[in-house]
Amino acid sequence: EDQVTQSPEALRLQEGESSSLNCSYTVSGLRGLFWYRQDPGKGPEFLFTLYSAGEEKEKERLKATLTKKESFLHITAPKPEDSATYLCAVERWTSGSRLTFGEGTQLTVNP
Amino acid sequence: EAGVAQSPRYKIIEKRQSVAFWCNPISGHATLYWYQQILGQGPKLLIQFQNNGVVDDSQLPKDRFSAERLKGVDSTLKIQPAKLEDSAVYLCASSLDGGSLAKNIQYFGAGTRLSVL
Repeated sequence: EDQVTQSPEALRLQEGESSSLNCSYTVSGLRGLFWYRQDPGKGPEFLFTLYSAGEEKEKERLKATLTKKESFLHITAPKPEDSATYLCAVERWTSGSRLTFGEGTQLTVNP
Repeated sequence: EAGVAQSPRYKIIEKRQSVAFWCNPISGHATLYWYQQILGQGPKLLIQFQNNGVVDDSQLPKDRFSAERLKGVDSTLKIQPAKLEDSAVYLCASSLDGGSLAKNIQYFGAGTRLSVL
């Protein structure tokens, strides 16, 4: 069974204080790893897809990286508008396009 | 481009009642998904359609949940009868083509928040 574990559960940062969120996964035959952002009362918003170990993608203050066992979402000089829950999900080759999500990291950035 | 539309946004019912949720995916998206998200957890897939056919319903509680996607466009998810533990947000998502690696990004609607009393 696929397992996705995110840490920490919650993270509080000061504006400009860089940090990383972790997503550890156990899956047989990874097709892709996805990062989503979810604001209160809204559906998840797509950020990145990573397909192979060593791959990196960037978008504004966010950078996602992937190894064979985990993925990191690095947040550089965060702003209050980066406050949200960040969800990690994995997709397996033999499960169609079903996403298995972690429980998320709730990020709060204080001004 | 319009996103995934869901209605209603909120629904409050008593246990043993029935409820239905509606979803209209992004135009041209062949694959449609229904997820259940319990408070504090990540979404969990209930059912996946490719056009109007079911691809994966292995995690759908079929004794009380049903879903259809007539004509391969919009979809309805029904719960009958509802239980207290069904209180959750029901999210609909769509992708261009879940079977294609380059087209499998899922875009989510805002969800329907269900409270069962």
